[in-house]
Order: sequence, then C-alpha cells, then structure tokens
Amino acid sequence: DTEVTQTPKHLVMGMTNKKSLKCEQHMGHRAMYWYKQKAKKPPELMFVYSYEKLSINESVPSRFSPECPNSSLLNLHLHALQPEDSALYLCASSQGPRVNSPLHFGNGTRLTVT
Amino acid sequence: GESVGLHLPTLSVQEGDNSIINCAYSNSASDYFIWYKQESGKGPQFIIDIRSNMDKRQGQRVTVLLNKTVKHLSLQIAATQPGDSAVYFCAEIGGQAGTALIFGKGTTLSVSS
Repeated sequence: DTEVTQTPKHLVMGMTNKKSLKCEQHMGHRAMYWYKQKAKKPPELMFVYSYEKLSINESVPSRFSPECPNSSLLNLHLHALQPEDSALYLCASSQGPRVNSPLHFGNGTRLTVT
Repeated sequence: GESVGLHLPTLSVQEGDNSIINCAYSNSASDYFIWYKQESGKGPQFIIDIRSNMDKRQGQRVTVLLNKTVKHLSLQIAATQPGDSAVYFCAEIGGQAGTALIFGKGTTLSVSS
C-alpha cells in the first residue's frame, strides 16, 4: 500500500462525459503533482501545486482542470476528453516546494476514453 | 530543455547475477537524482537517491553511482531476484526553480530463475 491514495483505480468514460480523479495524502506534504503515463513510457509532468497554489502547468489542454481544495487533497477534473488521453494518471506528493526529497507516488488511475 | 535518458530499454539477467542500469542526464546544473522502480499496475516506487555532492550511495542490495564529468548515473542491483523484475527510471530535478521531477526513458529489467 502507498501513502498516496488515488481513486478510482480504473475509469472508463465517453468523450462527452465529465469525471474527476482524486488523490489524497496525509504525510503533511506541501507539494502535489499530476503525471500522465502512456504504456511503456516514462511519467510526464502535467501540473504542480505548491502550498495549494498551481505553480506549474506543462501546457496541458484545458480539458484537464486541476484543483487543490486543501493541502491533503488534489483533484483532476476531466471534460470532453479524446481517446488519446487514455493513460495512467499518477498523483504524487513531496515535502516541497523545491524537490530535495523523493516524490511519493500513488498507484494511479487507469483511464480509458471511448 | 532538460532531459534524462537511459541507455538500454531492456536488460535480461539470471537470478543471482548483479544488474547494472545506466542513465545519462543532460542538465549539468542538476543537483539531485532519484531511481524509481515501477511494477506492472503500480506507481513508481522510490529506490535510492543521490545528491550532486556525492559520487556513490549504497542502500540494501542497491548502489547508485554518479559521474558528473560525463553526466552519467548508474544503478547497481546485487544478487538480482525475480522480484526485482520491473521498469527502472532515473529522474532528475527540473521545472521552475527545481520544483518538478523529470523522468528518463526507463529500462525494463527481466530476471529469470
């Protein structure tokens, strides 16, 4: 089991649906991250939150909308996705804001867009 | 931009052998590096890290070597076991003011018994 919990584990959605991915950590970390991972590829950074404020957006399309309601929670709202958005979405946290200790990852949400 | 890469996409070893996984990085200003292991269906799991003021760091059955002259990292796994089979990624600090982690391409380690 990891200290970063992601729900749901699997999600299938149509291109007109709206869904949300959730991430939670209780390690007191102040930085949280969303990564996208395609099959047989490394994780790619999407967003970074530091002290509940968005600090990095890696030019992610607006159909992905992150939210950090508090220091323990991170959401990723999904709307009008495309089939190529199917991937493993990983959440991570670190003591932050500068990365000088390991990021802790959840086991991800496997997203399929039909 | 910053990037981290691995030399070999796959590595196959026999149980009990020592494994060496290599990684090249491009940002000479990088001062912190991490190795992760990712098993099928799971997120990346921390193995070991090293800061740029060190050349070598040892953990339990794992050693990371850092050669800043040629911008090269390696992960050595002693007495490799079937449970070590996974994808291994090196990662370096990137983003604005070092606030993000950038992953290399990954090496798939297969251990046969």
